[in-house]
Amino acid sequence: QVQLVESGGGLVKPGGSLRLSCAASGFTFSNYYMSWVRQAPGKGLEWVSYISSGSTNYMSHADSVKGRFTISRDNAKNSLFLQMNSLRVEDTAVYYCARDRYGSGKGPFDCWGQGILVTVSS
Amino acid sequence: EIVLTQSPGTLSLSPGERATLSCRASQIVSSSYLAWYHQKPGQVPRLLIYDASSRATGIPDRFSGSGSGTDFTLTISRLEPEDFAVYYCQQYGSSPGTFGQGTKVEIK
Repeated sequence: QVQLVESGGGLVKPGGSLRLSCAASGFTFSNYYMSWVRQAPGKGLEWVSYISSGSTNYMSHADSVKGRFTISRDNAKNSLFLQMNSLRVEDTAVYYCARDRYGSGKGPFDCWGQGILVTVSS
Repeated sequence: EIVLTQSPGTLSLSPGERATLSCRASQIVSSSYLAWYHQKPGQVPRLLIYDASSRATGIPDRFSGSGSGTDFTLTISRLEPEDFAVYYCQQYGSSPGTFGQGTKVEIK
Protein backbone atom coordinates (compact mmCIF):
# COMPACT_ATOMS: atom_id res chain seq x y z
CA GLN A 1 0.00 0.00 0.00
CA VAL A 2 0.99 3.62 -0.43
CA GLN A 3 3.16 4.69 2.49
CA LEU A 4 5.20 7.73 3.47
CA VAL A 5 7.47 7.59 6.51
CA GLU A 6 9.24 10.68 7.83
CA SER A 7 12.38 10.73 9.95
CA GLY A 8 15.02 13.16 11.17
CA GLY A 9 13.04 15.39 13.50
CA GLY A 10 13.98 16.39 17.01
CA LEU A 11 15.02 19.24 19.28
CA VAL A 12 17.32 21.92 17.91
CA LYS A 13 18.42 25.34 19.14
CA PRO A 14 17.45 28.54 17.32
CA GLY A 15 19.81 29.09 14.43
CA GLY A 16 20.48 25.37 14.09
CA SER A 17 19.85 22.95 11.25
CA LEU A 18 17.97 19.71 10.66
CA ARG A 19 17.40 17.48 7.66
CA LEU A 20 14.10 15.68 7.36
CA SER A 21 13.68 12.58 5.22
CA CYS A 22 10.60 10.87 3.84
CA ALA A 23 10.72 7.30 2.54
CA ALA A 24 8.05 6.48 -0.01
CA SER A 25 6.72 3.06 -0.99
CA GLY A 26 3.78 1.47 -2.75
CA PHE A 27 3.71 3.83 -5.73
CA THR A 28 5.96 5.14 -8.50
CA PHE A 29 7.59 7.94 -6.52
CA SER A 30 9.26 9.62 -9.47
CA ASN A 31 5.88 10.28 -11.13
CA TYR A 32 4.58 12.52 -8.36
CA TYR A 33 5.12 16.05 -7.18
CA MET A 34 5.81 15.94 -3.45
CA SER A 35 5.35 18.51 -0.71
CA TRP A 36 6.10 19.24 2.91
CA VAL A 37 3.22 20.57 5.00
CA ARG A 38 3.59 21.58 8.64
CA GLN A 39 1.32 22.05 11.62
CA ALA A 40 2.38 24.08 14.63
CA PRO A 41 1.14 22.76 18.00
CA GLY A 42 -2.62 23.28 18.26
CA LYS A 43 -2.71 25.15 14.94
CA GLY A 44 -3.80 24.56 11.37
CA LEU A 45 -1.99 23.31 8.28
CA GLU A 46 0.62 25.31 6.36
CA TRP A 47 2.19 24.30 3.05
CA VAL A 48 5.99 24.63 3.25
CA SER A 49 7.65 23.41 0.04
CA TYR A 50 7.08 21.36 -3.09
CA ILE A 51 9.26 19.70 -5.70
CA SER A 52 8.28 18.60 -9.17
CA SER A 53 8.23 15.04 -10.43
CA GLY A 54 10.76 13.33 -12.65
CA SER A 55 14.20 14.81 -13.03
CA THR A 56 13.37 18.48 -13.58
CA ASN A 57 13.38 19.20 -9.82
CA TYR A 58 11.52 22.47 -10.03
CA MET A 59 10.85 23.58 -6.46
CA SER A 60 8.98 26.25 -4.57
CA HIS A 61 8.97 27.34 -0.94
CA ALA A 62 6.59 29.34 1.22
CA ASP A 63 7.71 32.90 1.92
CA SER A 64 8.04 32.00 5.62
CA VAL A 65 10.88 29.55 4.88
CA LYS A 66 12.35 30.91 1.65
CA GLY A 67 16.13 31.16 1.80
CA ARG A 68 16.30 28.90 4.85
CA PHE A 69 14.69 25.60 3.76
CA THR A 70 15.50 23.54 0.68
CA ILE A 71 13.47 20.63 -0.62
CA SER A 72 15.09 17.86 -2.66
CA ARG A 73 14.46 14.29 -3.78
CA ASP A 74 16.28 11.12 -4.76
CA ASN A 75 14.06 9.15 -7.11
CA ALA A 76 16.43 6.19 -7.15
CA LYS A 77 15.94 5.84 -3.39
CA ASN A 78 12.26 6.86 -3.36
CA SER A 79 13.11 9.58 -0.88
CA LEU A 80 12.15 13.18 -0.22
CA PHE A 81 14.18 15.57 1.90
CA LEU A 82 13.86 18.94 3.60
CA GLN A 83 17.03 20.72 4.63
CA MET A 84 16.15 23.26 7.30
CA ASN A 85 18.73 25.91 8.20
CA SER A 86 18.61 29.00 10.43
CA LEU A 87 15.74 27.48 12.36
CA ARG A 88 13.48 29.75 14.37
CA VAL A 89 11.21 29.10 17.33
CA GLU A 90 8.24 29.64 15.02
CA ASP A 91 9.36 26.68 12.87
CA THR A 92 8.33 24.36 15.70
CA ALA A 93 5.73 22.02 14.19
CA VAL A 94 4.88 18.54 13.04
CA TYR A 95 6.17 18.23 9.49
CA TYR A 96 4.25 16.01 7.07
CA CYS A 97 5.47 14.60 3.80
CA ALA A 98 2.54 14.62 1.35
CA ARG A 99 1.88 13.31 -2.17
CA ASP A 100 0.36 15.72 -4.65
CA ARG A 101 -2.54 14.15 -6.53
CA TYR A 102 -2.45 16.47 -9.52
CA GLY A 103 1.18 17.28 -10.06
CA SER A 104 0.85 21.03 -9.58
CA GLY A 105 2.70 21.45 -6.32
CA LYS A 106 -0.38 23.05 -4.79
CA GLY A 107 -2.39 19.95 -3.95
CA PRO A 108 -4.68 18.29 -3.27
CA PHE A 109 -2.66 15.94 -1.09
CA ASP A 110 -3.98 12.41 -1.27
CA CYS A 111 -1.43 10.64 0.89
CA TRP A 112 0.31 11.88 4.04
CA GLY A 113 3.08 10.55 6.21
CA GLN A 114 2.57 10.11 9.94
CA GLY A 115 4.42 13.35 10.63
CA ILE A 116 7.63 14.17 12.47
CA LEU A 117 8.01 16.71 15.26
CA VAL A 118 10.57 19.48 14.99
CA THR A 119 11.06 21.54 18.13
CA VAL A 120 13.16 24.70 18.02
CA SER A 121 13.98 25.88 21.51
CA SER A 122 16.93 27.09 23.53
CA GLU B 1 -2.32 34.66 -1.80
CA ILE B 2 -5.89 33.44 -1.39
CA VAL B 3 -7.16 33.50 2.19
CA LEU B 4 -9.74 30.88 3.12
CA THR B 5 -12.11 31.60 6.00
CA GLN B 6 -14.00 28.67 7.48
CA SER B 7 -17.16 28.94 9.53
CA PRO B 8 -18.28 28.21 12.08
CA GLY B 9 -15.18 27.76 14.21
CA THR B 10 -16.86 25.01 16.19
CA LEU B 11 -19.97 23.01 15.37
CA SER B 12 -21.64 21.10 18.22
CA LEU B 13 -23.90 18.33 16.96
CA SER B 14 -25.17 14.89 17.90
CA PRO B 15 -24.53 11.64 16.02
CA GLY B 16 -27.07 11.24 13.23
CA GLU B 17 -27.41 15.00 12.67
CA ARG B 18 -26.48 16.85 9.50
CA ALA B 19 -23.36 19.02 9.47
CA THR B 20 -22.84 21.95 7.11
CA LEU B 21 -19.40 23.55 6.99
CA SER B 22 -18.53 26.67 5.03
CA CYS B 23 -15.32 27.82 3.34
CA ARG B 24 -15.13 31.30 1.84
CA ALA B 25 -12.23 32.45 -0.32
CA SER B 26 -10.85 35.99 -0.57
CA GLN B 27 -10.66 35.59 -4.38
CA ILE B 28 -12.23 33.29 -6.93
CA VAL B 29 -10.82 29.76 -6.69
CA SER B 30 -9.72 28.80 -10.16
CA SER B 31 -11.50 25.78 -11.69
CA SER B 32 -13.14 25.01 -8.34
CA TYR B 33 -9.82 23.60 -7.18
CA LEU B 34 -11.00 23.23 -3.61
CA ALA B 35 -10.38 20.28 -1.31
CA TRP B 36 -11.61 19.21 2.11
CA TYR B 37 -9.68 17.19 4.68
CA HIS B 38 -10.46 15.96 8.12
CA GLN B 39 -8.07 15.36 10.97
CA LYS B 40 -8.98 13.32 14.02
CA PRO B 41 -7.09 14.04 17.26
CA GLY B 42 -3.54 12.76 17.08
CA GLN B 43 -4.00 11.57 13.50
CA VAL B 44 -2.91 12.57 10.05
CA PRO B 45 -5.07 14.75 7.76
CA ARG B 46 -7.10 12.73 5.26
CA LEU B 47 -8.37 13.94 1.89
CA LEU B 48 -12.17 13.76 1.71
CA ILE B 49 -13.19 15.89 -1.28
CA TYR B 50 -11.27 17.37 -4.21
CA ASP B 51 -12.32 19.57 -7.13
CA ALA B 52 -15.02 20.93 -4.81
CA SER B 53 -17.33 17.92 -5.15
CA SER B 54 -15.43 14.72 -5.99
CA ARG B 55 -15.05 12.19 -3.18
CA ALA B 56 -11.60 10.75 -2.64
CA THR B 57 -11.03 7.01 -2.68
CA GLY B 58 -12.77 5.19 0.15
CA ILE B 59 -14.74 8.18 1.40
CA PRO B 60 -18.38 7.30 2.24
CA ASP B 61 -21.19 9.01 0.38
CA ARG B 62 -22.47 10.79 3.49
CA PHE B 63 -19.73 13.33 2.69
CA SER B 64 -20.52 15.75 -0.13
CA GLY B 65 -18.97 18.95 -1.36
CA SER B 66 -20.45 21.80 -3.34
CA GLY B 67 -19.79 25.36 -4.40
CA SER B 68 -17.81 27.43 -6.85
CA GLY B 69 -16.20 30.82 -7.16
CA THR B 70 -15.58 31.97 -3.60
CA ASP B 71 -18.13 29.96 -1.60
CA PHE B 72 -17.84 26.28 -0.86
CA THR B 73 -19.66 23.88 1.44
CA LEU B 74 -18.94 20.47 2.95
CA THR B 75 -22.01 18.54 4.06
CA ILE B 76 -22.04 15.44 6.22
CA SER B 77 -25.54 14.03 5.87
CA ARG B 78 -25.62 11.95 9.07
CA LEU B 79 -22.79 12.25 11.54
CA GLU B 80 -21.14 9.03 12.60
CA PRO B 81 -19.02 8.86 15.81
CA GLU B 82 -15.83 8.76 13.72
CA ASP B 83 -16.72 12.02 11.96
CA PHE B 84 -16.07 14.20 15.00
CA ALA B 85 -12.84 15.89 14.01
CA VAL B 86 -11.36 19.09 12.64
CA TYR B 87 -12.13 19.86 8.99
CA TYR B 88 -9.90 21.96 6.74
CA CYS B 89 -10.55 23.35 3.30
CA GLN B 90 -7.66 23.98 0.90
CA GLN B 91 -7.47 25.79 -2.43
CA TYR B 92 -5.00 24.65 -5.07
CA GLY B 93 -6.04 26.83 -7.96
CA SER B 94 -3.49 29.53 -7.22
CA SER B 95 0.01 29.54 -5.82
CA PRO B 96 0.65 29.04 -3.03
CA GLY B 97 -1.94 26.47 -2.10
CA THR B 98 -3.55 27.67 1.12
CA PHE B 99 -5.59 26.11 3.91
CA GLY B 100 -8.44 27.45 5.96
CA GLN B 101 -8.07 27.70 9.72
CA GLY B 102 -10.34 24.72 10.36
CA THR B 103 -13.79 23.91 11.74
CA LYS B 104 -14.04 21.62 14.73
CA VAL B 105 -17.04 19.30 14.71
CA GLU B 106 -17.63 18.21 18.29
CA ILE B 107 -20.13 15.98 20.03
CA LYS B 108 -22.96 17.93 21.61
